[in-house]
Amino acid sequence: SYVLTQPPSVSVAPGKTARITCGGNNIGSKSVHWYQQKPGQAPVLVIYYDSDRPSGIPERFSGSNSGNTATLTISRVEAGDEADYYCQVWDSSSERVFGGGTKLTVL
Amino acid sequence: EVQLVESGGGLVKPGGSLRLSCAASGFTFSSYSMNWVRQAPGKGLEWVSSISSSSSYIYYADSVKGRFTISRDNAKNSLYLQMNSLRAEDTAVYYCAREGGSSSLLDWGQGTLVTVSS
Repeated sequence: SYVLTQPPSVSVAPGKTARITCGGNNIGSKSVHWYQQKPGQAPVLVIYYDSDRPSGIPERFSGSNSGNTATLTISRVEAGDEADYYCQVWDSSSERVFGGGTKLTVL
Repeated sequence: EVQLVESGGGLVKPGGSLRLSCAASGFTFSSYSMNWVRQAPGKGLEWVSSISSSSSYIYYADSVKGRFTISRDNAKNSLYLQMNSLRAEDTAVYYCAREGGSSSLLDWGQGTLVTVSS
């Protein structure tokens, strides 16, 4: 089955840019979605179709996808962005596949 | 406003059964595929099962295939997950989620905790 690989953790200072990667074989040919999950809360969709933002998600959140890596970029990071982030794709076997998650720490 | 409210979780012994429900409101339930996703304590998200809008297409993760059954009642705006032969590794918070294009999960419920322990 398809595997998505994320770094376990990323740290960034407030006001800086955080980049969270999601690796997968030829992931650039798939649509990648990203979710934010804060402690004790349900996940929230923050990016879909590689780079689209649902209504209500700040423009500071953006995404890209090419080759074997998709990237979630959070600009001007705020303390409130501290959370776990998960990438997700639809695999040809009709499975929905999640990455292992990345804990974003705001220093 | 979209609302998804799960119920039915609880403590069950290994080998036991449990039926989860998800009550949906705020959107045309019969037009959307729905999913169950779980999260073991301290772990990441794991997709469990999906069902198309008319129940024509149903898929399961290998980890639950043959033990879990997903279903829906569009007249009652409800999604279900029948879980049989439960194992300790099935212990998790179970979320229902509304699916959008390319299997994006647009909205999630708050989850219901299932604990499998003797």
